[in-house]
Amino acid sequence: QSALTQPASVSGSPGQSITISCTGTNNDIGSYNVVSWYQQTPGKAPKLVLYGVNKRPSGISNRFSGSKSGNSASLTISGLQAEDEADYYCCSYARGSTLYVFGTGTKVTVL
Amino acid sequence: QVQLVESGGGVVQPGGSVTLSCAASGFIFSTSAVHWVRQAPGKGLEWLTVISDDGDYKYYADSAKDRFSISRDNSRDTLYLQMSLLRAEDTAIYFCARESVVGDVFDIWGPGTMVTVSS
Repeated sequence: QSALTQPASVSGSPGQSITISCTGTNNDIGSYNVVSWYQQTPGKAPKLVLYGVNKRPSGISNRFSGSKSGNSASLTISGLQAEDEADYYCCSYARGSTLYVFGTGTKVTVL
Repeated sequence: QVQLVESGGGVVQPGGSVTLSCAASGFIFSTSAVHWVRQAPGKGLEWLTVISDDGDYKYYADSAKDRFSISRDNSRDTLYLQMSLLRAEDTAIYFCARESVVGDVFDIWGPGTMVTVSS
């Protein structure tokens, strides 16, 4: 099972919106509405920011939103803030013995 | 507060073994499935294995199924990962993560423990 494909980096200015794509196959994203997104800052553990494609855990800003179409999912951060600078990983449930597959990760830079 | 804390990492020789622990607190451990996820230095996240709340079901990634073994002791609120025949490519931070009640989501993560495989 290969990792989901994400752009290596995305950048934006404060206040702008950015979108991170996550491309899989019909063995993962395409077959299940079980896509989650994690934010990771240097030296820290990942933190859940979205699940079930577009649901936000308690305490996560409504500036984070998600969607899915076919074999791809995306995370949009609106009103970009300096604190959003981090690495972001998508994750999907997958068909096969490897139950979960993560994305390659995207570094978000706030200019 | 709800937390997971890993321990047991360190430097291990190639071909050696190590057992990692993950201590849970702040929630009813015996009602949650828990996972291990690793991250090689400068690399992305890789899911390794999961164990059901009662320990009856275990699933492994292809990269883990032959050399890693997950277990838990609900009386001690602790998760374990036994790793054997370690290789340089197993060098990584190992995180334990709780599966959310909604399923298939990792809602609580430990800070991780570093395993370095080197002679």
